[in-house]
Amino acid sequence: GAGVSQSPRYKVAKRGQDVALRCDPISGHVSLFWYQQALGQGPEFLTYFQNEAQLDKSGLPSDRFFAERPEGSVSTLKIQRTQQEDSAVYLCASSFNTGTGGYSPLHFGNGTRLTVT
Amino acid sequence: KNEVEQSPQNLTAQEGEFITINCSYSVGISALHWLQQHPGGGIVSLFMLSSGKKKHGRLIATINIQEKHSSLHITASHPRDSAVYICAVRDTGNQFYFGTGTSLTVIP
Repeated sequence: GAGVSQSPRYKVAKRGQDVALRCDPISGHVSLFWYQQALGQGPEFLTYFQNEAQLDKSGLPSDRFFAERPEGSVSTLKIQRTQQEDSAVYLCASSFNTGTGGYSPLHFGNGTRLTVT
Repeated sequence: KNEVEQSPQNLTAQEGEFITINCSYSVGISALHWLQQHPGGGIVSLFMLSSGKKKHGRLIATINIQEKHSSLHITASHPRDSAVYICAVRDTGNQFYFGTGTSLTVIP
């Protein structure tokens, strides 16, 4: 497809379960971002990849959150021992970053709505 | 302190009205994005701008770098414009900061 693809679209997990959320960015997009969006709020930054390198993970709320992008394309956000406060929409976005001074639009996936019961 | 502030938070307009949504930011930026999010839907990028003004159909986005302020205007608003509009800035370190969004409802 032409856009950013995320799967699953919806995920219900029991408290304590591990979950894995997948993001397929647009082919060739170097930058990949993960965001967490609570109901009625704007997206909150989680982590950022430039190719396979995780350059910024300062937004990950705890060590239960882990993200990887081993080959510089598909990325997975893993949440271990899920808690109810993890319930949110997890958004992935990608962009073509041309380097210093280079701009490109940010393309978002439709998100994964995680509900922890 | 939020790096990006939007106003208003909620906005209700009659069909046909001219709408303005404002965004102020506090960081040095390389670009500012206006995004649209429909209920249950993904986010669509409307504009990316670093100076001046851009127009797409009934949508106009302006930015004043010196004042660190941007506005999104919708002319001749329509019920299908009802959505959450989010302002996001990309700083010089490629970090994005998002506003909390403006929820727009256009009544027929």
